[in-house]
Amino acid sequence: EVQLEESGGGLVQPGGSLRLSCAASGFSFSDYAMSWVRQAPGKGLEWVAHITSSGDTTYYADSVKGRFTISRDNSQNTLHLQMNSLRAEDTAGFLCAKHRGAGAYYAMDVWGHGTTVTVSS
Amino acid sequence: SYVLAQTPSVSAAPGQTARITCGGHRIGTISVNWYQRKPGQAPVLLIYSDRNRPSGIPERFSGSNSGDTATLTISEVEAGDEADYLCQVWDTSSAHVIFGGGTKLTV
Repeated sequence: EVQLEESGGGLVQPGGSLRLSCAASGFSFSDYAMSWVRQAPGKGLEWVAHITSSGDTTYYADSVKGRFTISRDNSQNTLHLQMNSLRAEDTAGFLCAKHRGAGAYYAMDVWGHGTTVTVSS
Repeated sequence: SYVLAQTPSVSAAPGQTARITCGGHRIGTISVNWYQRKPGQAPVLLIYSDRNRPSGIPERFSGSNSGDTATLTISEVEAGDEADYLCQVWDTSSAHVIFGGGTKLTV
Protein backbone atom coordinates (compact mmCIF):
# COMPACT_ATOMS: atom_id res chain seq x y z
CA GLU A 1 0.00 0.00 0.00
CA VAL A 2 1.27 3.44 -0.93
CA GLN A 3 1.58 5.55 2.22
CA LEU A 4 2.96 8.80 3.53
CA GLU A 5 3.23 9.47 7.24
CA GLU A 6 4.25 12.83 8.66
CA SER A 7 5.82 13.40 12.05
CA GLY A 8 7.63 16.09 14.00
CA GLY A 9 4.88 18.62 14.58
CA GLY A 10 4.30 20.30 17.91
CA LEU A 11 4.18 23.51 19.88
CA VAL A 12 7.07 25.93 19.37
CA GLN A 13 7.69 29.52 20.41
CA PRO A 14 7.95 32.30 17.85
CA GLY A 15 11.45 32.39 16.45
CA GLY A 16 11.96 28.72 17.16
CA SER A 17 12.70 25.80 14.88
CA LEU A 18 11.09 22.49 14.05
CA ARG A 19 11.95 19.65 11.70
CA LEU A 20 9.17 17.72 10.04
CA SER A 21 9.61 14.30 8.48
CA CYS A 22 7.54 12.29 6.04
CA ALA A 23 8.09 8.54 5.81
CA ALA A 24 7.17 7.03 2.45
CA SER A 25 6.32 3.41 1.75
CA GLY A 26 4.80 1.28 -0.99
CA PHE A 27 6.42 3.01 -3.96
CA SER A 28 9.82 3.79 -5.44
CA PHE A 29 10.44 6.99 -3.49
CA SER A 30 13.46 8.12 -5.50
CA ASP A 31 11.41 8.23 -8.73
CA TYR A 32 8.98 10.91 -7.61
CA ALA A 33 9.00 14.57 -6.72
CA MET A 34 7.57 15.57 -3.36
CA SER A 35 5.97 18.65 -1.85
CA TRP A 36 4.95 20.03 1.52
CA VAL A 37 1.54 21.70 1.68
CA ARG A 38 -0.06 23.35 4.70
CA GLN A 39 -3.49 24.38 5.83
CA ALA A 40 -3.91 27.05 8.46
CA PRO A 41 -7.04 26.97 10.63
CA GLY A 42 -10.03 28.10 8.59
CA LYS A 43 -7.96 28.53 5.43
CA GLY A 44 -7.39 26.60 2.23
CA LEU A 45 -4.40 24.58 1.12
CA GLU A 46 -1.14 26.51 0.69
CA TRP A 47 1.82 24.99 -1.07
CA VAL A 48 5.03 25.38 0.97
CA ALA A 49 7.95 23.70 -0.79
CA HIS A 50 8.85 21.22 -3.52
CA ILE A 51 11.79 18.97 -4.26
CA THR A 52 12.46 17.03 -7.43
CA SER A 53 12.94 13.28 -7.40
CA SER A 54 16.72 13.48 -7.35
CA GLY A 55 16.74 16.28 -4.79
CA ASP A 56 18.81 18.57 -6.99
CA THR A 57 16.13 21.24 -7.40
CA THR A 58 13.93 22.86 -4.78
CA TYR A 59 11.23 25.54 -4.89
CA TYR A 60 9.66 27.53 -2.08
CA ALA A 61 6.60 29.66 -1.48
CA ASP A 62 7.49 33.31 -0.98
CA SER A 63 6.11 33.17 2.57
CA VAL A 64 8.71 30.62 3.69
CA LYS A 65 11.69 31.27 1.42
CA GLY A 66 14.86 31.76 3.43
CA ARG A 67 13.31 30.24 6.56
CA PHE A 68 12.32 26.71 5.49
CA THR A 69 14.46 24.05 3.81
CA ILE A 70 13.09 20.98 2.09
CA SER A 71 15.31 17.93 1.71
CA ARG A 72 15.04 14.21 1.06
CA ASP A 73 16.96 11.06 1.84
CA ASN A 74 16.25 8.62 -0.96
CA SER A 75 18.15 5.88 0.83
CA GLN A 76 15.75 6.16 3.77
CA ASN A 77 12.58 6.98 1.77
CA THR A 78 12.14 10.11 3.86
CA LEU A 79 11.25 13.71 3.15
CA HIS A 80 12.10 16.53 5.56
CA LEU A 81 11.14 20.13 6.15
CA GLN A 82 13.44 22.17 8.37
CA MET A 83 11.54 25.19 9.64
CA ASN A 84 13.45 28.07 11.25
CA SER A 85 12.42 31.52 12.47
CA LEU A 86 8.87 30.30 12.95
CA ARG A 87 6.06 32.83 13.15
CA ALA A 88 2.52 32.66 14.48
CA GLU A 89 1.24 32.67 10.91
CA ASP A 90 3.08 29.39 10.28
CA THR A 91 0.58 27.65 12.56
CA ALA A 92 -1.01 24.99 10.35
CA GLY A 93 -1.38 21.34 9.54
CA PHE A 94 1.52 20.33 7.33
CA LEU A 95 0.99 17.56 4.78
CA CYS A 96 3.48 15.87 2.53
CA ALA A 97 2.43 14.87 -0.96
CA LYS A 98 3.88 12.69 -3.71
CA HIS A 99 3.79 13.95 -7.28
CA ARG A 100 2.89 11.62 -10.14
CA GLY A 101 6.28 12.21 -11.75
CA ALA A 102 9.77 13.52 -11.21
CA GLY A 103 8.91 17.22 -11.15
CA ALA A 104 6.46 19.84 -9.93
CA TYR A 105 4.48 19.84 -13.16
CA TYR A 106 2.83 16.58 -12.13
CA ALA A 107 -0.26 16.38 -9.94
CA MET A 108 -0.02 15.20 -6.34
CA ASP A 109 -1.57 11.76 -6.17
CA VAL A 110 -0.70 10.54 -2.68
CA TRP A 111 -1.07 12.58 0.50
CA GLY A 112 -0.33 12.07 4.14
CA HIS A 113 -2.79 13.01 6.85
CA GLY A 114 -0.60 15.76 8.20
CA THR A 115 1.19 16.87 11.34
CA THR A 116 0.19 19.96 13.30
CA VAL A 117 2.54 22.85 13.96
CA THR A 118 1.53 25.47 16.49
CA VAL A 119 3.65 28.58 16.91
CA SER A 120 2.76 30.37 20.11
CA SER A 121 4.34 31.79 23.23
CA SER B 1 2.27 35.10 -9.13
CA TYR B 2 -0.55 33.30 -10.87
CA VAL B 3 -3.96 33.46 -9.18
CA LEU B 4 -6.73 30.84 -9.33
CA ALA B 5 -10.25 31.99 -8.48
CA GLN B 6 -12.92 29.63 -7.19
CA THR B 7 -16.48 30.33 -6.08
CA PRO B 8 -16.57 29.69 -2.31
CA SER B 9 -19.64 27.49 -2.37
CA VAL B 10 -21.87 25.51 -4.69
CA SER B 11 -24.93 23.45 -3.90
CA ALA B 12 -26.62 20.61 -5.76
CA ALA B 13 -29.43 18.20 -5.02
CA PRO B 14 -28.75 14.45 -5.10
CA GLY B 15 -28.83 13.17 -8.66
CA GLN B 16 -28.16 16.58 -10.19
CA THR B 17 -24.98 17.78 -11.86
CA ALA B 18 -22.59 20.10 -10.03
CA ARG B 19 -20.12 22.27 -11.90
CA ILE B 20 -17.20 23.81 -10.05
CA THR B 21 -15.11 26.38 -11.86
CA CYS B 22 -11.55 27.59 -11.52
CA GLY B 23 -10.66 30.87 -13.17
CA GLY B 24 -7.23 32.04 -14.23
CA HIS B 25 -5.62 34.10 -16.97
CA ARG B 26 -5.38 31.84 -20.02
CA ILE B 27 -5.73 28.81 -17.77
CA GLY B 28 -6.65 26.81 -20.86
CA THR B 29 -2.98 26.88 -21.85
CA ILE B 30 -1.78 25.11 -18.70
CA SER B 31 -2.52 21.81 -17.02
CA VAL B 32 -5.07 21.81 -14.20
CA ASN B 33 -5.47 19.27 -11.41
CA TRP B 34 -8.47 18.86 -9.11
CA TYR B 35 -8.59 17.56 -5.53
CA GLN B 36 -11.35 16.62 -3.15
CA ARG B 37 -10.92 17.18 0.57
CA LYS B 38 -13.27 16.05 3.30
CA PRO B 39 -12.86 17.20 6.92
CA GLY B 40 -10.20 15.25 8.74
CA GLN B 41 -9.12 13.36 5.63
CA ALA B 42 -6.19 13.60 3.28
CA PRO B 43 -6.85 15.29 -0.07
CA VAL B 44 -7.74 12.98 -2.95
CA LEU B 45 -6.62 13.59 -6.53
CA LEU B 46 -9.74 13.53 -8.71
CA ILE B 47 -8.53 14.84 -12.07
CA TYR B 48 -5.03 15.44 -13.44
CA SER B 49 -3.91 17.20 -16.58
CA ASP B 50 -7.31 18.81 -17.16
CA ARG B 51 -9.39 15.70 -17.81
CA ASN B 52 -7.69 12.48 -16.69
CA ARG B 53 -9.02 10.37 -13.83
CA PRO B 54 -6.68 8.32 -11.62
CA SER B 55 -7.68 4.71 -11.15
CA GLY B 56 -10.49 4.32 -8.67
CA ILE B 57 -12.09 7.70 -9.35
CA PRO B 58 -15.67 7.27 -10.62
CA GLU B 59 -16.58 8.37 -14.13
CA ARG B 60 -19.06 10.79 -12.55
CA PHE B 61 -16.09 13.11 -12.07
CA SER B 62 -14.86 14.84 -15.22
CA GLY B 63 -12.77 17.86 -16.09
CA SER B 64 -12.41 20.37 -18.88
CA ASN B 65 -10.24 23.41 -19.47
CA SER B 66 -10.50 26.20 -22.02
CA GLY B 67 -9.92 29.92 -22.22
CA ASP B 68 -9.88 31.44 -18.76
CA THR B 69 -11.88 28.70 -17.01
CA ALA B 70 -11.30 25.13 -15.95
CA THR B 71 -14.33 23.15 -14.83
CA LEU B 72 -14.85 20.12 -12.64
CA THR B 73 -18.17 18.43 -13.36
CA ILE B 74 -19.73 15.99 -10.95
CA SER B 75 -22.64 14.07 -12.46
CA GLU B 76 -25.34 12.35 -10.44
CA VAL B 77 -24.23 14.03 -7.25
CA GLU B 78 -24.34 11.91 -4.10
CA ALA B 79 -24.43 12.86 -0.44
CA GLY B 80 -20.91 11.48 -0.10
CA ASP B 81 -19.64 14.07 -2.59
CA GLU B 82 -20.09 16.82 -0.04
CA ALA B 83 -16.56 18.19 0.37
CA ASP B 84 -14.18 20.96 -0.56
CA TYR B 85 -12.89 20.90 -4.13
CA LEU B 86 -9.64 22.60 -5.08
CA CYS B 87 -7.99 23.29 -8.39
CA GLN B 88 -4.21 23.44 -8.73
CA VAL B 89 -1.64 24.34 -11.36
CA TRP B 90 2.12 24.59 -11.70
CA ASP B 91 3.07 28.17 -12.57
CA THR B 92 6.29 27.91 -14.54
CA SER B 93 6.95 31.65 -14.50
CA SER B 94 7.13 31.84 -10.70
CA ALA B 95 8.11 28.19 -10.13
CA HIS B 96 5.26 27.89 -7.67
CA VAL B 97 2.54 25.32 -7.11
CA ILE B 98 -0.72 27.29 -6.97
CA PHE B 99 -3.97 26.21 -5.33
CA GLY B 100 -7.35 27.78 -5.78
CA GLY B 101 -9.15 28.86 -2.63
CA GLY B 102 -11.49 25.89 -2.82
CA THR B 103 -15.21 25.43 -3.39
CA LYS B 104 -17.40 23.82 -0.77
CA LEU B 105 -19.99 21.56 -2.36
CA THR B 106 -23.17 21.16 -0.34
CA VAL B 107 -25.46 18.31 -1.33
